[in-house]
Amino acid sequence: SAVISQKPSRDICQRGTSLTIQCQVDSQVTMMFWYRQQPGQSLTLIATANQGSEATYESGFVIDKFPISRPNLTFSTLTVSNMSPEDSSIYLCSVGTSGRRVSTDTQYFGPGTRLTVL
Amino acid sequence: DAKTTQPNSMESNEEEPVHLPCNHSTISGTDYIHWYRQLPSQGPEYVIHGLTSNVNNRMASLAIAEDRKSSTLILHRATLRDAAVYYCILIIQGAQKLVFGQGTRLTINP
Repeated sequence: SAVISQKPSRDICQRGTSLTIQCQVDSQVTMMFWYRQQPGQSLTLIATANQGSEATYESGFVIDKFPISRPNLTFSTLTVSNMSPEDSSIYLCSVGTSGRRVSTDTQYFGPGTRLTVL
Repeated sequence: DAKTTQPNSMESNEEEPVHLPCNHSTISGTDYIHWYRQLPSQGPEYVIHGLTSNVNNRMASLAIAEDRKSSTLILHRATLRDAAVYYCILIIQGAQKLVFGQGTRLTINP
């Protein structure tokens, strides 16, 4: 299993500013995932972050808007840059811990960061 | 990723069994069937997964149709804590990510 914490748990920001969200895991993991959940919607994968390499972004998400750092095997950050009200969402990180492929692994999710942009 | 179809919502009573259906008619032979649930104000949590055979764990059972075009998540005795959005997800063998659909919002009546 894995215990994941995220900081901050929530924030209210002004448009045009940036917010960095932290994700800390209690064990070393290879892959970390960042998701966005817009109000009343399902989860959408933003990017996959591997330690020691550039993050892989999904269609519709770009590095300039959502830069990701992965300095070690237990930590990652997601920055939401130049925010607009459309960025108001819950941002979640997740990990798998067994080292197996996602298809046969259990994914663990953090509690999320609730972001409101005014 | 292969597409899944789930009812938008379902309702059941406490202490009764709940059968949550999922259709995945375009599933391929190497797609795994995963179920996650998201309790209110929390991140999703793993429930169960399978490939071809029915699976049981402490949380639920997964019944997979013989042709694998549908599956059913079974909660044997629902509690109020089981009220959540349940996601049925197909994952290609060797895939590196989960792709969430819209899920089924399950309401449990006391």
